[in-house]
Amino acid sequence: NAGVTQTPKFQVLKTGQSMTLQCAQDMNHNSMYWYRQDPGMGLRLIYYSASEGTTDKGEVPNGYNVSRLNKREFSLRLESAAPSQTSVYFCASSFRDRSNQPQHFGDGTRLSIL
Amino acid sequence: AQSVTQLDSHVSVSEGTPVLLRCNYSSSYSPSLFWYVQHPNKGLQLLLKYTSAATLVKGINGFEAEFKKSETSFHLTKPSAHMSDAAEYFCVVILDRESSARQLTFGSGTQLTVLP
Repeated sequence: NAGVTQTPKFQVLKTGQSMTLQCAQDMNHNSMYWYRQDPGMGLRLIYYSASEGTTDKGEVPNGYNVSRLNKREFSLRLESAAPSQTSVYFCASSFRDRSNQPQHFGDGTRLSIL
Repeated sequence: AQSVTQLDSHVSVSEGTPVLLRCNYSSSYSPSLFWYVQHPNKGLQLLLKYTSAATLVKGINGFEAEFKKSETSFHLTKPSAHMSDAAEYFCVVILDRESSARQLTFGSGTQLTVLP
């Protein structure tokens, strides 16, 4: 089925470890986004890529880096994981980076930092 | 500046009874507004959106929402709840529909429980 695929689905890390969360979409969308979801706080934007070759910071970028590898793939990297980064991470995509364009979400990566 | 408030963190209804999930927004302009649904261990799915056309917006699965500018509200309703409606619902606002999606503001969510 067409959509947004995130890997892995679950991950446990120790403080200080690094890892990369992968995201791929097969809908030929131009824009991609990384969010984190914490209880009672809705979703907060970490980074986004309005089009292939561009990336920009969102609301909570500290401690993260991103790479827009090609039109399909957008990865999120934690260089030195901290317990405060324990969260559920969602990748989303949309045809264009405009607010009236619906976003399509992956099923999330549940990340625990010990 | 913009903000969105979901007035109830949890709502419980019996199957077959009406659903009302409340959302108020704050925006200086004519906003775009959305409702998304999140089922357990899944990503968010768009239910419906308001972008300045009809004030009563119909979405998927029998849900609808009415934009009331005078009350700055965008409440989500459904006439008859189904067990499959049990999920978390997010109200989302952006003040300018031509703005980048990075300016979307998500509400904190309302967990809907449907009792048999």
